Amino acid sequence: EPEVTQTPSHQVTQMGQEVILRCVPISNHLYFYWYRQILGQKVEFLVSFYNNEISEKSEIFDDQFSVERPDGSNFTLKIRSTKLEDSAMYFCASSLLAGGPYNEQFFGPGTRLTVL
Amino acid sequence: QKEVEQNSGPLSVPEGAIASLNCTYSDRGSQSFFWYRQYSGKSPELIMFIYSNGDKEDGRFTAQLNKASQYVSLLIRDSQPSDSATYLCAVSSIYNQGGKLIFGQGTELSVKP
Repeated sequence: EPEVTQTPSHQVTQMGQEVILRCVPISNHLYFYWYRQILGQKVEFLVSFYNNEISEKSEIFDDQFSVERPDGSNFTLKIRSTKLEDSAMYFCASSLLAGGPYNEQFFGPGTRLTVL
Repeated sequence: QKEVEQNSGPLSVPEGAIASLNCTYSDRGSQSFFWYRQYSGKSPELIMFIYSNGDKEDGRFTAQLNKASQYVSLLIRDSQPSDSATYLCAVSSIYNQGGKLIFGQGTELSVKP
């Protein structure tokens, strides 16, 4: 069964450093997403991406964040200068489309980001 | 602020019983409703979705939607200890063309053998 994969599973970084989180969405899916979940809190939407551009982003997704699809399979989230409050589990998800029932989003296993 | 609300629980049911999980939402533009299961330390796993008023059944799971009351629920029949997890309600809106899902805080379910 196709699945979303993410690497690394755990990333530890120093405050102020740049990190890149990587995802391989399900191959025939067209929409890609990043969410994050701070320990004990809700899953929060960060950004959606379609046709090589951002479709929608949240207030959390400020200038420190960027996304890219560098090739036909990978989807990345970059945090330019990490802060302590960026420590969270980051989930990549993908869906066939973005409307109605086609918005079934399948999540990857997540990357746990720890900022020291 | 568009909200999705769930009782955080824990909801404790005996093995074999029906577990009933509830979710309310504030955005009347909400069009699709998703139930995810999340085991501790793991990612959300899609159980089922619903977008029409009424009931939708999939195996032991039944989703119920009432758009007039802005209420969606998930029933789990013949609950098993392996169903013990946090259940997340997620909603997408016609106003969010990018497919954004808004999640509730989740309800923790504990099924006792």
